Amino acid sequence: AQSVAQPEDQVNVAEGNPLTVKCTYSVSGNPYLFWYVQYPNRGLQFLLKYITGDNLVKGSYGFEAEFNKSQTSFHLKKPSALVSDSALYFCAVRDTGNTPLVFGKGTRLSVIA
Amino acid sequence: DAGVIQSPRHEVTEMGQEVTLRCKPISGHDYLFWYRQTMMRGLELLIYFNNNVPIDDSGMPEDRFSAKMPNASFSTLKIQPSEPRDSAVYFCASSSGKSNQPQHFGDGTRLSIL
Repeated sequence: AQSVAQPEDQVNVAEGNPLTVKCTYSVSGNPYLFWYVQYPNRGLQFLLKYITGDNLVKGSYGFEAEFNKSQTSFHLKKPSALVSDSALYFCAVRDTGNTPLVFGKGTRLSVIA
Repeated sequence: DAGVIQSPRHEVTEMGQEVTLRCKPISGHDYLFWYRQTMMRGLELLIYFNNNVPIDDSGMPEDRFSAKMPNASFSTLKIQPSEPRDSAVYFCASSSGKSNQPQHFGDGTRLSIL
């Protein structure tokens, strides 16, 4: 069975500092990994994905994520946080089948000015 | 391109009433998903369709919930009769069905059952 863990319910970071939102996963085959962001009163918006190839994936709004197969992790990062990055972030995974994405419980990011 | 469109955006109704939520997926997408989001349980998959056929409805909480997809461009989620504990945000999402592609979400319906 596929699963995703986001160990932090809340991450606080000062504006301008680097941010990391953690995600670990478990799948039986090769993983397809995704990050989504949810702003208040909006649906989940796709940020970036890892399918294969380069372990560092770049996405929207300056976000990037690093795939680490040995640690089964896919942490979301940004070099310099903005107040407008404050939102709920979800990590998701599926294996190579056409199955629904399995989502983590979400991490709330607060960027403080 | 238009994204996933859900209606209504907000619904307030009294316990016992029938509620119908609507979704128009992205054109060309073969998969459609219904989710429910609450503070307590987070994001839950209720049911999903492939080519208008329900594939897995194991997430549907009770027989009061039903979902249909009469054609490729329209789906409904119905609750009858509604109860206060059904209050949540309901999301529809669609995808192309290719395993390396993301699901695309609508902006949801915020449902309040009084």
